[in-house]
Amino acid sequence: EVQLVESGGGLVQPGGYLSLSCAASGFTFSSYAMSWVRQAPGKGLEWVSVISGNGGNTNYADSGKGRFTISRDNSKNTLYLQMSSLRAEDTAVYYCARSSCHGGSCPLDYWGQGTLVTVSS
Amino acid sequence: DIVVTQSPDSLAVSLGERATINCKSSQSVLYSSNNKNYLAWYQHKPGQPPKLLIYWASTRESGVPDRFSGSGSGTDFTLTISSLQAEDVAVYYCHQYYSTPRTFGQGTKLEI
Repeated sequence: EVQLVESGGGLVQPGGYLSLSCAASGFTFSSYAMSWVRQAPGKGLEWVSVISGNGGNTNYADSGKGRFTISRDNSKNTLYLQMSSLRAEDTAVYYCARSSCHGGSCPLDYWGQGTLVTVSS
Repeated sequence: DIVVTQSPDSLAVSLGERATINCKSSQSVLYSSNNKNYLAWYQHKPGQPPKLLIYWASTRESGVPDRFSGSGSGTDFTLTISSLQAEDVAVYYCHQYYSTPRTFGQGTKLEI
């Protein structure tokens, strides 16, 4: 059974740093691209970032470019999102999701339950 | 960036009736080399993660009831629920994975 479990969310001050993790199980992690998608309170889904199965290719939404870094450790079956210079508008539930192929140009077929990030003083 | 726009923003449909949600992309998401439309539909209920319903614009994900169907090509797409059930109350999103940044529509809230 495919499982994705996010962790690392919490309360952080504006300008602060937070690192999210997503532990994957039930599939060959390195064979699939992985994405982060977020949902701010009362808002819709917003795509954040994607990384290819081997970690060689990454892409970001404009909202996170220069502040967010996506990475993965295929030996640990874990996806990461490092977020710096956080702003109030980054407050959201952050979901990790699996792309149904290695390269990433595929739908998101499995999602974690999400972890809440709150940016506030 | 490809902008994806859904209509309507909200929709109320009687039980057993048809529900139709539209999605329009600002540029084509049809990849000519494989004739596939890089568009998916998701169902999102409160307190749950989004669920993939339809991909490649018209392929139903395994386990999704056949009352859900997707159609369209190029820039115009439709999600149809043929006979609305109570458990279909949710927000529905279309999503293009043709290019980065990937983008979602703003969502359509479906109510009874």
